[in-house]
Amino acid sequence: QVRLVQSGAEVKKPGASVRVSCRTSGYTFTGYHVHWVRQAPGQGLEWVGWINPNSGATMYAQKFQGRVTVTRDTATRTAYMELRRLASDDTAVYYCTRDRTPGWFDPWGQGTLVIVSS
Amino acid sequence: LMLTQPHSVSESQGKTVTISCTGSGGNIVSNFVQWYQQRPGSAPTTVIHEDIKRPSGVPDRFSGSIDSSSNSASLTISGLTTEDEADYYCQSSDDNYQVFGGGTKLTVL
Repeated sequence: QVRLVQSGAEVKKPGASVRVSCRTSGYTFTGYHVHWVRQAPGQGLEWVGWINPNSGATMYAQKFQGRVTVTRDTATRTAYMELRRLASDDTAVYYCTRDRTPGWFDPWGQGTLVIVSS
Repeated sequence: LMLTQPHSVSESQGKTVTISCTGSGGNIVSNFVQWYQQRPGSAPTTVIHEDIKRPSGVPDRFSGSIDSSSNSASLTISGLTTEDEADYYCQSSDDNYQVFGGGTKLTVL
């Protein structure tokens, strides 16, 4: 059974950084890209970026370039997303998801709520 | 590529509803379109992938289509039940970037 299990909720102050983890199981970790998607309260889904766990190559949405870094640890089958210089509009649920075929996200992690508040 | 969906649609139980996803700034037929269902407080799940395919476990009441002439994709749900009430998102790729539609809230009356 393919599973992506994310770390717990975080509360951060403006200007701080947050790191969210995504531990995978049930499939070959290095065989599928892992994407990060966020959803602000009451809003739609917004793509953040992806990592190729085999090569470590990454690609980010232009909006987040310079502020986000996605990494992976192949030994623990875990992907990480770090977002820096947090602002209140970064308050959102952050999801990791496996790229099952090019562009098809399945399954998704349970989501991690990140609250940015002074 | 930008994907535009209606903000909301509503239809009665047992009826059929179609949700559109119109592409702009790119050709929607160049890459596959997926459709995700999201219920409140839950992660999205796939109802349609690769334009027209249904994952196992998704009822055949759900179907997807592509119309190249209007550069759009559609999700059709027939025999509506209250369980179908949710937000629906279309999603596709643009080079190596991923794009989501703004989402459509389906209300089943």
